[in-house]
Amino acid sequence: AQSVTQPDIHITVSEGASLELRCNYSYGATPYLFWYVQSPGQGLQLLLKYFSGDTLVQGIKGFEAEFKRSQSSFNLRKPSVHWSDAAEYFCAVGGRSPLNAGGTSYGKLTFGQGTILTVHP
Amino acid sequence: KAGVTQTPRYLIKTRGQQVTLSCSPISGHRSVSWYQQTPGQGLQFLFEYFSETQRNKGNFPGRFSGRQFSNSRSEMNVSTLELGDSALYLCASSSLLLPIAEQETQYFGPGTRLLVL
Repeated sequence: AQSVTQPDIHITVSEGASLELRCNYSYGATPYLFWYVQSPGQGLQLLLKYFSGDTLVQGIKGFEAEFKRSQSSFNLRKPSVHWSDAAEYFCAVGGRSPLNAGGTSYGKLTFGQGTILTVHP
Repeated sequence: KAGVTQTPRYLIKTRGQQVTLSCSPISGHRSVSWYQQTPGQGLQFLFEYFSETQRNKGNFPGRFSGRQFSNSRSEMNVSTLELGDSALYLCASSSLLLPIAEQETQYFGPGTRLLVL
């Protein structure tokens, strides 16, 4: 069964400091990996995704993530955090799900428990 | 292009009642997935629909059901509500299911917050 672990429930950083949010996954085949962000009272917004190829993935808002197969990790990084980055961050894993009608889907995502990011001025 | 819309945004029900939540995907998107988010269990996959057919299902009891209409709008229904069903229910849509899944992106709606008393 697939699973995702985000070891840090809550992280606090100062504005302008660098950030790394950890994510470890368990998946039997080649995983599809995602990072989402959720602001209070909002839905999820996709920051970036990894399917294959270059293991360093660039996303929106200056975020990047690195896929390390040997460590089963997909950590999210940002060189300089802004106050507006305060939110909850979710790592998710999915996989190709062949459909009878053709095509594939990765709709069945498994999410980590989330990491709440607080940014101090 | 309008995003994923969910109605209602907030709902209060009592135990034993049933509830229906609605999700309108982004125009042109044919796949709709539902997730339940609670503080204790986090985000859990409920089900996915494509072309009016359920394609994937999570580990939820039969009280949770859904359907998708020909215009891709989707509804989920929870019967005989329990206190533990209080949650944020998120809907996500994605475009035509392509052979190359890498081209897909799921877009989430703002959610419906359900409180069961």
